[in-house]
Amino acid sequence: NAGVTQTPKFRVLKTGQSMTLLCAQDMNHEYMYWYRQDPGMGLRLIHYSVGEGTTAKGEVPDGYNVSRLKKQNFLLGLESAAPSQTSVYFCASSLLIRLGGYTFGSGTRLTVV
Amino acid sequence: AQSVTQLDSQVPVFEEAPVELRCNYSSSVSVYLFWYVQYPNQGLQLLLKYLSGSTLVESINGFEAEFNKSQTSFHLRKPSVHISDTAEYFCATTGGGNKLTFGTGTQLKVEL
Repeated sequence: NAGVTQTPKFRVLKTGQSMTLLCAQDMNHEYMYWYRQDPGMGLRLIHYSVGEGTTAKGEVPDGYNVSRLKKQNFLLGLESAAPSQTSVYFCASSLLIRLGGYTFGSGTRLTVV
Repeated sequence: AQSVTQLDSQVPVFEEAPVELRCNYSSSVSVYLFWYVQYPNQGLQLLLKYLSGSTLVESINGFEAEFNKSQTSFHLRKPSVHISDTAEYFCATTGGGNKLTFGTGTQLKVEL
């Protein structure tokens, strides 16, 4: 099925470890986004990309890095995980917003112990 | 910068009763408004959207929302809820860029 695929779905990390979350979309969308969801705080934008090879910071970028080497993939990296990064991470992709909204992935639940 | 306020964190309602989930936005430019629904342990799904034109928009499962520019609101309503509507609902807006800003969410709990 067409859409946004996130891997992995679950992960437990120890403080200080690193990991990469992968987001892949097959809709030829230019725009891709990484959000984190925490109870009572809604979704907060971490980083986003307006096209292959471009990335930009969102509302809460500290402690994260991203790359978009291919149009269909958007990677989110944690270089040195901290307990404060325990969250559910959602990737989304879109065309221009005035043509419609986002398509979301199913999320990655990350626990940092 | 654009922002979204969802005034109610939780809304309990009995099955077959009407419900309204409130959303207010702030933006100084043209807005696009969205409601997303998140069922337990799932991602967010687009429920309905206002991009332009008619201020009343409807979803396929009976929800509707009305864009009210003078009150800067985009409240979500359903005249008769079902148990299966139990979920978290997020209002979102963009004030001119291509990024969505989300509210903190409203948990709708439908009880028998």
